[in-house]
Amino acid sequence: AQTVTQSQPEMSVQEAETVTLSCTYDTSESDYYLFWYKQPPSRQMILVIRQEAYKQQNATENRFSVNFQKAAKSFSLKISDSQLGDAAMYFCASPNYGGSQGNLIFGKGTKLSVKP
Amino acid sequence: DAMVIQNPRYQVTQFGKPVTLSCSQTLNHNVMYWYQQKSSQAPKLLFHYYDKDFNNEADTPDNFQSRRPNTSFCFLDIRSPGLGDAAMYLCATSRGLSGRGYNEQFFGPGTRLTVL
Repeated sequence: AQTVTQSQPEMSVQEAETVTLSCTYDTSESDYYLFWYKQPPSRQMILVIRQEAYKQQNATENRFSVNFQKAAKSFSLKISDSQLGDAAMYFCASPNYGGSQGNLIFGKGTKLSVKP
Repeated sequence: DAMVIQNPRYQVTQFGKPVTLSCSQTLNHNVMYWYQQKSSQAPKLLFHYYDKDFNNEADTPDNFQSRRPNTSFCFLDIRSPGLGDAAMYLCATSRGLSGRGYNEQFFGPGTRLTVL
């Protein structure tokens, strides 16, 4: 079965510093997508960054980048120059290739706090 | 701006009293999803519509029903809410199923349901 695992329930970072959130996954697909979603308190979930497995280059979106290690099935999110607005729940997710629903399978999330 | 809208944002109901949550979208997407998210947990898929085709997750309780009268609107009906149904309910849309190539899911802000 397809799984997404986030082992850090909570993380904290000082403003302007860098933080890395971890995610591991398991899939039998050879080509697939992986996502990081951000869910601020009382606000909607938004896509932060995506990675397609066949692309060896790590995805980057401004201050957000990933370290994608396909062989290790690891997909970590790095946030550089952290800002107060980065405080949120972060979910690692993968499409459910094993089912017919086409839904996302989410990790349990990491709550990120940013200290001023 | 094109978006996913959920109403109401907060809903309080009594134990056993039917409740309906609403989702609308201006993205003209084919797929609409309903996820249940309990406190500090990952979103869990309840069901989805691909156009008019309804697809239920195997472990979604019968207490939960859905209607999609047209492309833009989708409703979640909880026939007899129990205390365990208190949660955030997220609506999401995508152009196609996320398990078939890349189809980004766009989320609404959620409806937080309280059951007294």
